Amino acid sequence: EVQLVESGGGLVQPGGSLRLSCVASEFTVSSTYMGWVRQAPGKGLEWVSVFYTGGTTNYADSVMGRFTISRDISKNTLYLQMSSLRVEDTAVYYCAKTKRSGTSVFDIWGQGTMVTVSS
Amino acid sequence: DIQMTQSPSTLSASVGDRVTITCRASQSISSWLAWYQQKPGKAPKFLIYQASSLESGVPSRFSGSGSGTEFTLTISSLQPDDFATYYCQQYNSYPLTFGGGTKVEIK
Repeated sequence: EVQLVESGGGLVQPGGSLRLSCVASEFTVSSTYMGWVRQAPGKGLEWVSVFYTGGTTNYADSVMGRFTISRDISKNTLYLQMSSLRVEDTAVYYCAKTKRSGTSVFDIWGQGTMVTVSS
Repeated sequence: DIQMTQSPSTLSASVGDRVTITCRASQSISSWLAWYQQKPGKAPKFLIYQASSLESGVPSRFSGSGSGTEFTLTISSLQPDDFATYYCQQYNSYPLTFGGGTKVEIK
């Protein structure tokens, strides 16, 4: 079964850092676009970042310069390194794969990992 | 950035009702629109892409239509499992953007 499992969330103080991981099963993370989408408590969905098949990346303005997306093909894992965290970064972070390379619709999502930024 | 606006934000309906949700884009996105369903505490579930193409395994009571700036998601006969929040998403250009969501509640 195609599956994504996130980990790494938790409580962190403003200004701190955290690294999220997303392990993929039954497909390779290099075969399609991989992304992160977040959802603040009680709010809607917000796209955060994408890792294209060619190795380039893209970010929402709200996280540009603070978050870094990467992948490890040998571990079939996607990462999101988050630094200079702000209270407004508090959200459930979902890892998702796109239906196919070249089209940015997310057909498979992980269960999400909660990130809480608070002092 | 392309803004996506959904209406209504909340919809009360009964089992068996025909339900329509509207999504408007701030500029033309051709047919590059997707729909997702989300239940409380769960990840979104992918329903429709390219405005009207049903994802494999999604019940045929779900349908999508539209192009350019106006789109609709229709549930032909609402079932108990369909009470959830629905989001549209444009993928015409980055940054990807989602609508604010439409919560379908039991009447």
